[in-house]
Amino acid sequence: DAKTTQPPSMDCAEGRAANLPCNHSTISGNEYVYWYRQIHSQGPQYIIHGLKNNETNEMASLIITEDRKSSTLILPHATLRDTAVYYCIVRLKTSYDKVIFGPGTSLSVIP
Amino acid sequence: EAQVTQNPRYLITVTGKKLTVTCSQNMNHEYMSWYRQDPGLGLRQIYYSMNVEVTDKGDVPEGYKVSRKEKRNFPLILESPSPNQTSLYFCASSFRRYGGTELMNTEAFFGQGTRLTVV
Repeated sequence: DAKTTQPPSMDCAEGRAANLPCNHSTISGNEYVYWYRQIHSQGPQYIIHGLKNNETNEMASLIITEDRKSSTLILPHATLRDTAVYYCIVRLKTSYDKVIFGPGTSLSVIP
Repeated sequence: EAQVTQNPRYLITVTGKKLTVTCSQNMNHEYMSWYRQDPGLGLRQIYYSMNVEVTDKGDVPEGYKVSRKEKRNFPLILESPSPNQTSLYFCASSFRRYGGTELMNTEAFFGQGTRLTVV
């Protein structure tokens, strides 16, 4: 079973911020939260990851709650090209391990 | 250019005819893995490899074999394909880099996918 739960779908107006939630209530102290997205049936693309502090890069921001049981991926100004399935996963910080993806959130950016 | 290359991109085959899907990465990554993707089920890991000659089962290994004889290659073998293995397959690779004194997992790079149909 996936270690994360996400809403199956969301809509966002073009130009507005898209906030995608993820629950990972059983996350352990040595696990990171990673976000990927998949456009159509292309290979998934890495977006961002974090341990406990908020992170930002050129693509998105990641907000992780203080108890680390949930996180939110923020696309600050969504464009039509951000329409994709977004996956939140948890992964061990240092060891190689099995990786479990859930069904993800299908984000539709609407003109 | 750093990339993960899968071949073939599309394949139609018949039940029982052995096939191999190749995966190659040019980034000297230690970790490689195979996923299958079916509608509504997201990505499910089939097998993964932590280094040469080190492999382990993912969530859905039945009906598949892998080998890791070289660091750059991680082929997926279907000895006797069946129609329920019709799916979209992805190969991925990653590595670990030092963050302070610890080796930390990095993001994964995915191939462009292989769409397999078994009739």
